[in-house]
Amino acid sequence: GAGVSQSPSNKVTEKGKDVELRCDPISGHTALYWYRQRLGQGLEFLIYFQGNSAPDKSGLPSDRFSAERTGESVSTLTIQRTQQEDSAVYLCASSLEWRPGNTIYFGEGSWLTVV
Amino acid sequence: GENVEQHPSTLSVQEGDSAVIKCTYSDSASNYFPWYKQELGKRPQLIIDIRSNVGEKKDQRIAVTLNKTAKHFSLHITETQPEDSAVYFCAASKGGDYKLSFGAGTTVTVRA
Repeated sequence: GAGVSQSPSNKVTEKGKDVELRCDPISGHTALYWYRQRLGQGLEFLIYFQGNSAPDKSGLPSDRFSAERTGESVSTLTIQRTQQEDSAVYLCASSLEWRPGNTIYFGEGSWLTVV
Repeated sequence: GENVEQHPSTLSVQEGDSAVIKCTYSDSASNYFPWYKQELGKRPQLIIDIRSNVGEKKDQRIAVTLNKTAKHFSLHITETQPEDSAVYFCAASKGGDYKLSFGAGTTVTVRA
């Protein structure tokens, strides 16, 4: 596609419910990243996928968070039993294999509000 | 891990003036420093980056400088225009590390 595509763009959910966020990276990009952006703050690294290698999940804040990616295609980020502190923009990004100078392209994000 | 601090948090400049944003980092092994611009409700976009083997890089009205000894780097925007109004984020990473550590962002407002 033309860019990184994320859905839904906006999601309001009740505390305790599960949510699933989807990311469609740029075709041919083997590296995929999820970041979280809380209101007025910088981006926090969540998880990184590179091809068929084991993902780096070191940024996931709790075991309620999980992410999957099939090969070099779509990724889903799942948040179980959502809490109000999970309210944030969840940004997905992709790039050719990670290397300084390989531009990371971000999606427009999924705005999650937990009420 | 890497800690990136960014100042100021907000910056208001008159159109045509220059804007400077400064970031410091803690990990001396960091060697890649990108800057992202995020317009309201839009995705972050890379505007310029610098690697540690270079002290300065320029692209039209935008320049970035790096001081490895002091562990700080700065973004300079000259001749600011209204379309420069956005949130700017600095970031840092080590060469083999794909995890970018971001600053908290600077909201730049260019007054016409």
